[in-house]
Amino acid sequence: GIQVEQSPPDLILQEGANSTLRCNFSDSVNNLQWFHQNPWGQLINLFYIPSGTKQNGRLSATTVATERYSLLYISSSQTTDSGVYFCAVSISGNNRLAFGKGNQVVVIP
Amino acid sequence: DTEVTQTPKHLVMGMTNKKSLKCEQHMGHRAMYWYKQKAKKPPELMFVYSYEKLSINESVPSRFSPECPNSSLLNLHLHALQPEDSALYLCASSPRQGGEGYTFGSGTRLTVV
Repeated sequence: GIQVEQSPPDLILQEGANSTLRCNFSDSVNNLQWFHQNPWGQLINLFYIPSGTKQNGRLSATTVATERYSLLYISSSQTTDSGVYFCAVSISGNNRLAFGKGNQVVVIP
Repeated sequence: DTEVTQTPKHLVMGMTNKKSLKCEQHMGHRAMYWYKQKAKKPPELMFVYSYEKLSINESVPSRFSPECPNSSLLNLHLHALQPEDSALYLCASSPRQGGEGYTFGSGTRLTVV
């Protein structure tokens, strides 16, 4: 099946700092989503981004489908950004979202 | 209504018990999913329903039995579980199977004793 690798696995940020999370995938995808799981377990859909660039407030994401990677940018981080960020992908003809292992982010005040 | 509601939020059950997890959405989504998540691991797909029909069963043991009574409801019936089945069980929905707009519920934390 498709392989999804996320880096870095763990990240500690000072409040106000910027960061970039990376998702590499092993095959062409027709679906790529970024999720944030807060410390209480709630998974929030951040972006649907199989290609191109999107922005939502302090978060933005870019997927370069031809090079099989996606980036999630967090700017001016806040303590509420803490949690695990998951990249999930699926390939054409296979409607299963495969999740990466996640990026554990801790933002300290 | 843009939520997926899961009940109960917490459940402790013995290995001989029968219990059910419930999931409800009113967004008109036609695909619904059950995921299992162990601590510090990503969610793992268990079942997918598309237009109220079981579309994907990821070789889940028969002690887990899904049911989709209508387009808004998804149940997961539990029977004779093992302690290793203790996990966070997440329900999700999307407008169509495999498409964008996945919305997750807040999950049921299950402990099997």
